Amino acid sequence: EVQLLESGGGLVQPGGSLRLSCAASKFTFSSYAMSWVRQAPGKGLEWVSGISGSGGNTYYADSVKGRFTISRDNSKNTLYLQMSSLRAEDTAIYYCAKDRSRKCFDYWGQGILVTVSS
Amino acid sequence: DIVMTQTPLSLSVTPGQPASISCKSSQSLLHSDGKTYLYWYLQKPGQSPQLLIYEVSSRFSGVPDRFRGSGSGTDFTLKISRVEAEDVGVYYCMQGIQLQGTFGQGTRLEIK
Repeated sequence: EVQLLESGGGLVQPGGSLRLSCAASKFTFSSYAMSWVRQAPGKGLEWVSGISGSGGNTYYADSVKGRFTISRDNSKNTLYLQMSSLRAEDTAIYYCAKDRSRKCFDYWGQGILVTVSS
Repeated sequence: DIVMTQTPLSLSVTPGQPASISCKSSQSLLHSDGKTYLYWYLQKPGQSPQLLIYEVSSRFSGVPDRFRGSGSGTDFTLKISRVEAEDVGVYYCMQGIQLQGTFGQGTRLEIK
């Protein structure tokens, strides 16, 4: 079965940076777009960023545009989210998700917590 | 951005009874390719979200047939014919027609 395993979360100070990784397995990684979705404590889901299978096209929510960068390494079957200029409101569980087509997320990782606090 | 509005935000249902959740989008989700990109997800307590319904009415693999999605354009509904205890959680609709996806606020289902 498809597996997605996030890593790289933790506590970071406001204004700091963090890079999340998502290791994918049991599917042809390069054939699928991928996304990051986050969930602030006690809140709903928010789509954050997406990337095409080749990595040539990237998309961002307005709330993170210019601060976050999504990328992928298809040779390593890994998705990344580089987060900079972090704010308290970026505190959330971040999920990576496999996109079967047009943001239809058929598989999700277990999520990784990012806490932005001084 | 397309705004997705769900109602109700919470509901309490007796096991064996039906449940219905409405989702309205601020713009039509009908694409020029003829498909409508509306999905339903369920997040059970302490778990990651899981896909229930895609393209309005298609059930994802393994989803029980008591879950039924319907609707068109901007108005959509998720119906559970007979609620079971395992259906507890938060249900989200989501649009995928735009490059920036957006979720509804979520509807919390609890069992009476």
